Amino acid sequence: QKEVEQDPGPLSVPEGAIVSLNCTYSNSAFQYFMWYRQYSRKGPELLMYTYSSGNKEDGRFTAQVDKSSKYISLFIRDSQPSDSATYLCAMRLFFGNEKLTFGTGTRLTIIP
Amino acid sequence: DAGVTQSPTHLIKTRGQQVTLRCSPKSGHDTVSWYQQALGQGPQFIFQYYEEEERQRGNFPDRFSGHQFPNYSSELNVNALLLGDSALYLCASSLSKRGAPRETQYFGPGTRLLVL
Repeated sequence: QKEVEQDPGPLSVPEGAIVSLNCTYSNSAFQYFMWYRQYSRKGPELLMYTYSSGNKEDGRFTAQVDKSSKYISLFIRDSQPSDSATYLCAMRLFFGNEKLTFGTGTRLTIIP
Repeated sequence: DAGVTQSPTHLIKTRGQQVTLRCSPKSGHDTVSWYQQALGQGPQFIFQYYEEEERQRGNFPDRFSGHQFPNYSSELNVNALLLGDSALYLCASSLSKRGAPRETQYFGPGTRLLVL
């Protein structure tokens, strides 16, 4: 079993829809949770960075962490064609341990 | 403010050869991590360098080695290349000094390595 599981998709939604992306994990020691966006043939770009459980909002993006269920989500409101990319969840154990453990990524396409 | 830069962007090698990839961290960052991303997969942690020493290592063989220079830039070396080493190699930088704001890693564009 992988430490971090993520549905690879692909996921296609119409423009303007709300997108929900999810990851589950098995290691309850993970404390820091991130979402990265990766366009084709580019490096991952940090979208959201959260510590422990709760919600964090930044513009059209909302990240949710539920440590009791070992489940994290990223919501994208009013989705745009420019949001078409692969979305990677990543986790880290504690500050000072810099190793990021990634999911496989979900490929998202927003249809105009 | 320059972000993380990597060179070269693309590289083609043959089995058994050796390769060196280079990374310059984001301005102000002192820590460099290297990741391997195979096609359709998430990045896998290779190792991390801080204060010119390897601080942490993932599950990669000794064929993978690295170096960090006094200016915080870094190199990744891979010896005896195998076909399975074909991947996107990503460099990420961060700040480790005590008292620094808590933030995560920022990635460069990667070097795409093809082993024939």
